[in-house]
Amino acid sequence: NAGVTQTPKFQVLKTGQSMTLQCAQDMNHEYMSWYRQDPGMGLRLIHYSVGAGITDQGEVPNGYNVSRSTTEDFPLRLLSAAPSQTSVYFCASSYSESRETQYFGPGTRLLVL
Amino acid sequence: GENVEQHPSTLSVQEGDSAVIKCTYSDSASNYFPWYKQELGKRPQLIIDIRSNVGEKKDQRIAVTLNKTAKHFSLHITETQPEDSAVYFCAASPIQGAQKLVFGQGTRLTINP
Repeated sequence: NAGVTQTPKFQVLKTGQSMTLQCAQDMNHEYMSWYRQDPGMGLRLIHYSVGAGITDQGEVPNGYNVSRSTTEDFPLRLLSAAPSQTSVYFCASSYSESRETQYFGPGTRLLVL
Repeated sequence: GENVEQHPSTLSVQEGDSAVIKCTYSDSASNYFPWYKQELGKRPQLIIDIRSNVGEKKDQRIAVTLNKTAKHFSLHITETQPEDSAVYFCAASPIQGAQKLVFGQGTRLTINP
């Protein structure tokens, strides 16, 4: 199993550009989530999904969209990038919403100029 | 919503000594408390977790204690080793419904040889 994978590893955007961060897992996990990690602030939940076709907002959803068309994939879309979205983004998954162990992907480092 | 405070932000101990990291939370509905370890440039990884019906849990050199009345929980690492050097994050989540982890700000632990 590859576990949780994320692409790209690093991305530079200009303000106003849009892009999609990819996340995939091959563990047949129902629950997937996106976090951003900023220095001194820990990880903050952006969006999460409890299964295909079901998504909901986390703590900091503004400026981001998600969809979950398959169990395996959970892409995160930045609609119009802003410098405040410069961060490291982690995708995570767990077997179900009640199986608490979350497995994190390797992260995507995003720089918005 | 939930708020998690973590202290200290940095901790330096001599190899072989013990390290203690403390977290407080605000939402009495939270009853799942995981701890994650993140090495430099790597993804967070679960090291131990505790649920509200348990006061203490041990796994070899690592232990977590929970005081639901006071709304705080702590990570204890005994006989520290250089490979314990990392950033440690606590988190809290309600166990019912979708898992929505709220993380503390992190503690950078340095083990001095």
